[in-house]
Amino acid sequence: DSGVTQTPKHLITATGQRVTLRCSPRSGDLSVYWYQQSLDQGLQFLIQYYNGEERAKGNILERFSAQQFPDLHSELNLSSLELGDSALYFCASSRGLAADNEQFFGPGTRLTVL
Amino acid sequence: LAKTTQPISMDSYEGQEVNITCSHNNIATNDYITWYQQFPSQGPRFIIQGYKTKVTNEVASLFIPADRKSSTLSLPRVSLSDTAVYYCPITDKLIFGTGTRLQVFP
Repeated sequence: DSGVTQTPKHLITATGQRVTLRCSPRSGDLSVYWYQQSLDQGLQFLIQYYNGEERAKGNILERFSAQQFPDLHSELNLSSLELGDSALYFCASSRGLAADNEQFFGPGTRLTVL
Repeated sequence: LAKTTQPISMDSYEGQEVNITCSHNNIATNDYITWYQQFPSQGPRFIIQGYKTKVTNEVASLFIPADRKSSTLSLPRVSLSDTAVYYCPITDKLIFGTGTRLQVFP
């Protein structure tokens, strides 16, 4: 158990819909990262937050947005969903911004868009 | 754009030593080299990290040459449970790529 929690575990929805994925980082971790992993694909970095502020952006679509709240939990919002958005979405957390910070990954949310 | 290159897949047998090499030509001075392991439908898990020379922990060794443009993860005496995907992201760049799929056979 990494200490990072993600809800829900599974999500099935239809094209055009909007969903919210939730992540609670490890106690004391200030950085939260979101990744997308499609079937047989590698991990694609989406976005990073540090202590409530956006820190780095990866290949995140304009239909996707995220935020980190004062209690440090984070939400990833996916809108106008398409079939291709079906994937595993992982959240990870780390202590801070140091280059040697280890990332702790959550169990993921499996999103299926029908 | 910083990027890592590693073999797509490798096969091994139980009890053998496995070495997986990662190329990271554009590594920056402040970058660390980290290796993660991922089992199907689970989040990646940290294995080992280093900056230069050699690092060893209870599960693996990491060899980094002086120019730091590559690194080699060494898994001693692999078992079936080491079958997984292994990633070598450059920590500051958050690029994991597709990793190396290691299959260990009995």
